[in-house]
Amino acid sequence: ILNVEQSPQSLHVQEGDSTNFTCSFPSSNFYALHWYRWETAKSPEALFVMTLNGDEKKKGQISATLNTKEGYSYLYIKGSQPEDSATYLCVTGTASKLTFGTGTRLQVTL
Amino acid sequence: NAGVMQNPRHLVRRRGQEARLRCSPMKGHSHVYWYRQLPEEGLKFMVYLQKENIIDESGMPKERFSAEFPKEGPSILRIQQVVRGDSAAYFCASSLGGIMNTEAFFGQGTRLTVV
Repeated sequence: ILNVEQSPQSLHVQEGDSTNFTCSFPSSNFYALHWYRWETAKSPEALFVMTLNGDEKKKGQISATLNTKEGYSYLYIKGSQPEDSATYLCVTGTASKLTFGTGTRLQVTL
Repeated sequence: NAGVMQNPRHLVRRRGQEARLRCSPMKGHSHVYWYRQLPEEGLKFMVYLQKENIIDESGMPKERFSAEFPKEGPSILRIQQVVRGDSAAYFCASSLGGIMNTEAFFGQGTRLTVV
């Protein structure tokens, strides 16, 4: 894997559904992995910064895991709400820059 | 504590003119990053500055584009002799420490349209 890849590209769920997204990244020269949430017409907002293999982070109903050896991270949303609708970006960090994936666009409807 | 402030929010320039985009980082942040989002594409890194110094400009086109972050005042991204392909949303982010393990805070972007 040369770049950050995210799947699925888009997802449409009903309110109350739980969902998860996948981020794959090059496992060599790993420094850090960030998850950002980007709502339309707003700026990207940091959710998590993860650096250690096996890291698990949680913020409200959103959680993330990290596997640096195999190069993937999962983002979980438990009990999705319409306000969770956004694009979720997986980002790898080096000492000087962030490399963004193309994101997973989540749409949560009533 | 105000967030990252970018201005203007929208900028229209004719081909050949200059565009100046401003970014005021969050208070206390000395690391600034510029990203560009072309239509239908994701965010792409352009340049990383740390007070008065350009640390990494590997994502910035070699011609017509320049960036600075003076000791006093906002960071400026300058595009000379703009062309239609420069039309994009330009986002600035700042962080307290290096981006490796600290979160970056993004501004709301400047949408540049070249006509």
